[in-house]
Amino acid sequence: DVKVTQSSRYLVKRTGEKVFLECVQDMDHENMFWYRQDPGLGLRLIYFSYDVKMKEKGDIPEGYSVSREKKERFSLILESASTNQTSMYLCASSFGVGNYGYTFGSGTRLTVV
Amino acid sequence: GESVGLHLPTLSVQEGDNSIINCAYSNSASDYFIWYKQESGKGPQFIIDIRSNMDKRQGQRVTVLLNKTVKHLSLQIAATQPGDSAVYFCAENTGGFKTIFGAGTRLFVKA
Repeated sequence: DVKVTQSSRYLVKRTGEKVFLECVQDMDHENMFWYRQDPGLGLRLIYFSYDVKMKEKGDIPEGYSVSREKKERFSLILESASTNQTSMYLCASSFGVGNYGYTFGSGTRLTVV
Repeated sequence: GESVGLHLPTLSVQEGDNSIINCAYSNSASDYFIWYKQESGKGPQFIIDIRSNMDKRQGQRVTVLLNKTVKHLSLQIAATQPGDSAVYFCAENTGGFKTIFGAGTRLFVKA
């Protein structure tokens, strides 16, 4: 069974901390994505990567950065966590571009206090 | 579609009945559409997709209908079961990396 695995289901961090969210996929997918999901706002794209070491900003990249050193791993970094970054974070991957659905991880619920 | 509502629409159906979940999309250039199911505490799960050169596609107990004239997408679930209770999202893609997710519809299945 193909999988996207997010390392943590729940995280609680303090304001100002540097936070790492890890995502690993075992499907040899080229593309990986980070979304945040908030009530009433749906899924919003933070960053995506279409190849190792390549990254592109999504719709809401401010306050975030990403790293993709290996094809299977895509990390989301909150440089200095703030309370407005409290959210559900979803990682996804896809085989190709355009006409391909995403495989999502189970999500990481991050609370910044 | 691109319009993300502040309030999540809710559909309540009786177990065994058919469910129809609707989605309006706004980008006439979108050529690929997907339905996802998200159960509580889990990530969205791919259900079924359809390309713009089709108007209907069937899966196991699910059917997606696409009406490009009015930019409308629907998901039909036959013989709805308690395990179908979830939030259902439509998504549209215009090619490339831009996939737009709808706000979702919450489906409640009454036993």
